[in-house]
Amino acid sequence: TQLLEQSPQFLSIQEGENLTVYCNSSSVFSSLQWYRQEPGEGPVLLVTVVTGGEVKKLKRLTFQFGDARKDSSLHITAAQPGDTGLYLCAGRYNFNKFYFGSGTKLNVKP
Amino acid sequence: EAGVVQSPRYKIIEKKQPVAFWCNPISGHNTLYWYLQNLGQGPELLIRYENEEAVDDSQLPKDRFSAERLKGVDSTLKIQPAELGDSAVYLCASSLDGQSEAFFGQGTRLTVV
Repeated sequence: TQLLEQSPQFLSIQEGENLTVYCNSSSVFSSLQWYRQEPGEGPVLLVTVVTGGEVKKLKRLTFQFGDARKDSSLHITAAQPGDTGLYLCAGRYNFNKFYFGSGTKLNVKP
Repeated sequence: EAGVVQSPRYKIIEKKQPVAFWCNPISGHNTLYWYLQNLGQGPELLIRYENEEAVDDSQLPKDRFSAERLKGVDSTLKIQPAELGDSAVYLCASSLDGQSEAFFGQGTRLTVV
């Protein structure tokens, strides 16, 4: 049983399109992180959100933390082929427990 | 600054054989994690260390898996005997403490044949 559910599982879009990936849980996170992973590599940290309602931007990527700190979203504007990869959210519970979501596999076609 | 280093990168073994993975965390990081990742899935926690103490090993299959972190620095993860279903990527990560951001190594891809 996954503590964090990500949706969609797979996403295939054309270059230039926008997309949103969701991460949901019934539990409250003390913090949440988003990672991007390429084949054959370990996950690479993109952002950490801590405060409910927090919004962070990283170039074309916008991350939002839900007001109740139970959910988060990642929005990519004008996706590029270089954005292709596995996007993972990871939530910290009870300060010391750190678990990953099931992942969203994104493919951006040129 | 060097990141988390894992070795080997790839390992192919026959079932029932033993295998070991090694991880060198970022210098000064007290918390070390071992994760298992199946293809296209999110990593699943196997064990978490705070210094040399295993503080969360509830997901580690203790009949065949073991881990150690001597002196609170490097860590090894062992499987004995390996089964076909153990084929996966084994990721090591470290963080300053149990509440800080975790940084990952490249992983060890294990294939059991």
